[in-house]
Parts: sequence; structure tokens; C-alpha cells
Amino acid sequence: QVQLQQSGPGLLKPSQTLSLTCAISGDSVSSNRAAWNWIRQSPSRGLEWLGRTYYRSKWYNDYAVSVKSRITINPDTSKNQFSLQLNSVSPEDTAVYYCVRGFSSSLDCWGQGTLVTVSS
Amino acid sequence: DVVMTQSPLSLPVTLGQPASISCRSSQSLVFSDGNTYLSWFQQRPGQSPRRLIYEVSNRDSGVPDRFSGSGSRTDFTLKISRVEAEDVGVYYCMQATHWPWTFGQGTKVEIK
Repeated sequence: QVQLQQSGPGLLKPSQTLSLTCAISGDSVSSNRAAWNWIRQSPSRGLEWLGRTYYRSKWYNDYAVSVKSRITINPDTSKNQFSLQLNSVSPEDTAVYYCVRGFSSSLDCWGQGTLVTVSS
Repeated sequence: DVVMTQSPLSLPVTLGQPASISCRSSQSLVFSDGNTYLSWFQQRPGQSPRRLIYEVSNRDSGVPDRFSGSGSRTDFTLKISRVEAEDVGVYYCMQATHWPWTFGQGTKVEIK
């Protein structure tokens, strides 16, 4: 059974960098069938897909246009985890962030969520 | 981006009665491989979303058979045959046919 465990700080000031990590158990970040996603949820934006990383003989990344200039998602094969970095945050980035496994063109396993608040 | 529009946004239901949620997409969700990548998720209060249905009508393991999905191309429906107290929450549809994947705005199911 796949489980995703998120970690990272929940309070940031404007212009800081958001950094979250998602530890995977029951699957491999290097799986050639899965993709590893970050999704956020806020009252104003609803559920918003941010980006993903996946391995298909080499590593690939896809990012949402809305955050493409500020986001990095990296795999860590040594720890079987993946991470999210979002630069130059503002109060509009306040949301619950989820790591999610993508499999067969769907999202089948979600992390527990991390509330990230951006406030001065 | 493909816009997913759910209705109603709020659905008060009597215990034991059926419930139905509609999801409409701004484009056909039939992929080039012939499959339709439409999923439904349930989010109970204070919890992460949980997938119920994938590819329009396939129930996930452990999902009660009172949940069913149907539809095609741009019109999809999630039905609960007899609502139970544990079904309270917000339900989302999501399309994974077109990039980027997009979600509906959610339908809140509550008990009358």
C-alpha cells in the first residue's frame, strides 16, 4: 500500500521560499509507471495542480504555467522522496499543499496535506 | 485549460435517499487512446481527497458500491444510491485527458 508522508514548515514571510518534502513508502520515486505531483488547495483557487516529476529512462518535470517561473520539483532517489520549492511566496500562495501519486492518468494516493501560511 | 463545471455546488440530502452530482467539461475528455480520463474524489471534513472513481465508472478498491460514475465526452455524473452519514463532504471531478489536469469547483454534500 502506497503512503505519502509530507514534512516542511507551515509559516512563511512574503518573498521567502516554500520547501516541502514528500517521503514515499510502498512505491519508488524512480518508478517508470508513476508520476509524483504537488497540488494545492485554497478557498480562492480550489484544487490547483502545480507540477510533477517522473522517470521514464530519464527524469522529466512538468509545471503549471501559473507558477512555472518560481517552482522546482526534485526527486531524491537516495531517500525515496521528492520535494517542492516555490520561490518568492506571497499571501496568494497560502494554501494546503498535497503531494500526490499519479498513476494511469489519475491521482490515486494523497499525502496528509500541509497548511502553508504566508504572512508578514 | 479545460474548465470543469460541477452542479449543484451544495446538495442537502436525506439519509437513505439518492444523490446525484453533475460534472461538465469545456472539451471532450476522450483521449487519443480511446479512454476517457475522468475521476471523482471525496474529501471528508479535515481529510485529504480520496479517489472514488477513475476512467468515468471504475470504482476504487474499498469504495462502497452505492457510489457509481457514468457519462461520456463532456457530461459526467456521480451517483450515490443511498446516502449515509459518512458520505458527508465535498466531491470533486477531475479530468486527466488534457494538459494541465484540472478539477471542478466541488459539490458539498450535507445531511438535511
